[in-house]
Amino acid sequence: GAVVSQHPSRVICKSGTSVKIECRSLDFQATTMFWYRQFPKQSLMLMATSNEGSKATYEQGVEKDKFLINHASLTLSTLTVTSAHPEDSSFYICSARGGGMLTGELFFGEGSRLTVL
Amino acid sequence: EDQVTQSPEALRLQEGESSSLNCSYTVSGLRGLFWYRQDPGKGPEFLFTLYSAGEEKEKERLKATLTKKESFLHITAPKPEDSATYLCAVQANNYGQNFVFGPGTRLSVLP
Repeated sequence: GAVVSQHPSRVICKSGTSVKIECRSLDFQATTMFWYRQFPKQSLMLMATSNEGSKATYEQGVEKDKFLINHASLTLSTLTVTSAHPEDSSFYICSARGGGMLTGELFFGEGSRLTVL
Repeated sequence: EDQVTQSPEALRLQEGESSSLNCSYTVSGLRGLFWYRQDPGKGPEFLFTLYSAGEEKEKERLKATLTKKESFLHITAPKPEDSATYLCAVQANNYGQNFVFGPGTRLSVLP
């Protein structure tokens, strides 16, 4: 299957700082990547859809100025949590669709655990 | 309203005790139903894709089936390493490229 790499896996930062999380498709090109947030014992909540070369599409209730998404190449999307606060602490997961087709499977990164002190 | 639900919320099995997990959906224009396994602190791992009613897929001790309203993930003679959260996700015409995930079933297989 397709491999999606996410980095860092864990990050701890102070309140008010910004944190960048990278998501890479290692063996395929991904024109579209998705960013999810997951709270303990809950399912995945879609935050935004990242499209290569264009602006991300954010889900309702997700602050685009706080969660900056950049998809500068066909293999890399980044999520930057700006001015992070303790309530932003969560598990962030990216995914990319294999094959570039609308019915292709989603492959996920390993996730990034963000803790804001 | 489109919905994806899963049952049970949690399931405890003895090793070797077969069972089934359910994923029910109410969407317009299903394009695909996907099963994933998620271990604690990890991203979901792809298991199966089902596209049409009557379709079945198998992998080791797992078998996924699909009807017009629901999907089942059958686990035959489970082992402790099968313990995980199993998520189903639906892609439908109303969602564009997005997937909608169910809440998951937490499976524990006791030795």
